[in-house]
Order: sequence, then C-alpha cells, then structure tokens
Amino acid sequence: EVQLVESGGGLVQPGGSLRLACAASGFTVNSNYMAWVRQAPGKGLECISVLYSDDLIYYADSVKGRFTTSRDISKNTVFLQMNSLGAGDTAVYYCARGGGFNYGYAFDIWGQGTMVTLSS
Amino acid sequence: EIILTQSPDTLSVSPGERAALSCRVSQHIPSSYLAWYQQKPGQAPRLLIYGTSTRATGIPDRFSGSGSGTDFSLTISRVEPEDFAVYYCQQYGSTFGQGTRLEIK
Repeated sequence: EVQLVESGGGLVQPGGSLRLACAASGFTVNSNYMAWVRQAPGKGLECISVLYSDDLIYYADSVKGRFTTSRDISKNTVFLQMNSLGAGDTAVYYCARGGGFNYGYAFDIWGQGTMVTLSS
Repeated sequence: EIILTQSPDTLSVSPGERAALSCRVSQHIPSSYLAWYQQKPGQAPRLLIYGTSTRATGIPDRFSGSGSGTDFSLTISRVEPEDFAVYYCQQYGSTFGQGTRLEIK
C-alpha cells in the first residue's frame, strides 16, 4: 500500500527546534518529489517546502532560513528540520508526494499530518 | 509570486443541486498545472482533479474541472451529502488558493 506517515510533532517553546519525519511505503522517496504542507488552526493550506532533488529544494518565504528539508533514502524517509520556531508556526504539518509530470506535479498522496504547537 | 483567488469563500447548496467553484490565477499557467483538492474536517486533503480536468483515481464523475489561462473552475453536478467540505485549487505543485467552503443550505 502506498502511504505516508508523519511523526515528530508536539509542544515546543518559542525559539525551539523540532524535526518532523515522513516515512514512505509502497514507493521510494528518491523517485518522486516530496513536499511539506502546513495548515494553521482554522486556516488554509500553505506549501512550505518541496524537495525536487538533493540539489533543488523550494522553501516558502515564511520558513526560508529556518527550516531544512532532507531525505534518507536508506530509511525511505523525508525530514523537516524546524529551527527558531515562533507562534506563526503552530499548525498541522502534512507530508505529500508529488505525482510527477503526468500529474501536473499535483500532490497525489498525503500523510495524516502531525501537529506542532508553540507554547511557552 | 503567483496568487490563486478562489470564489466564493462559502457556497451554500442543497443536496442534489449543482455547485460551481472558481479559481482565478494571477498570471497565465499551463492547464496541466492546475489541481483541485477536497478536505473534510480532521482529515488530510485529497486530490480530486489534476491537469485542470482529469479526475484522480476513485473520484466520481459528478466532479469535473475546466478552464484555461487564468480562470479555472470545479463543478459538482449533483452535490451528495459527503461532498460538503473545503475545496482548494493549487498551481504547479506549489501555491494554494484560500479555499471555498461548500456548506449545506
């Protein structure tokens, strides 16, 4: 079965760090591009990072310089390292698979999401 | 930066009625790069339509997409009770619109 499972969310203090993981099964993370999408409580979807290749990674302005996306092919897992977290980063974080050229790069597979909450 | 503006913000329809949702893009995009997603409360988004008009696997044919250039639309021919949700458009595997909430009238 093709699926994505996120982990690593939780409660963190402002200025702190957290690393999210997205474990893939049924496909390999190095054969598709992978994305992180977040959703603040009661708000819409925000694409914050897209891993096209190890040399080409997109970051939204809202997280650039603070967040880093990487992947471990041996674990078939994608990671989101989040530093200097602030109140605006409170959200559900989703991992998604890019469907590739034939899908117009739409996100065809999504994880269930992991919640990150900033609280002092 | 490409901006996607969806309208209306909220659409109220009765089951069995037709629903038409709009997505306007701030600059011309290829039709192959426009997608629609459905999200129900407490769930992850689900891909409905990609390439403007191609339904994703398992999506019923009451859902259809159309458009080109900067104006795109999602139509639900006869709304079923399970269709009440929030719908998002997206361009090129990147920016999303702000969403349209489809609610029961």
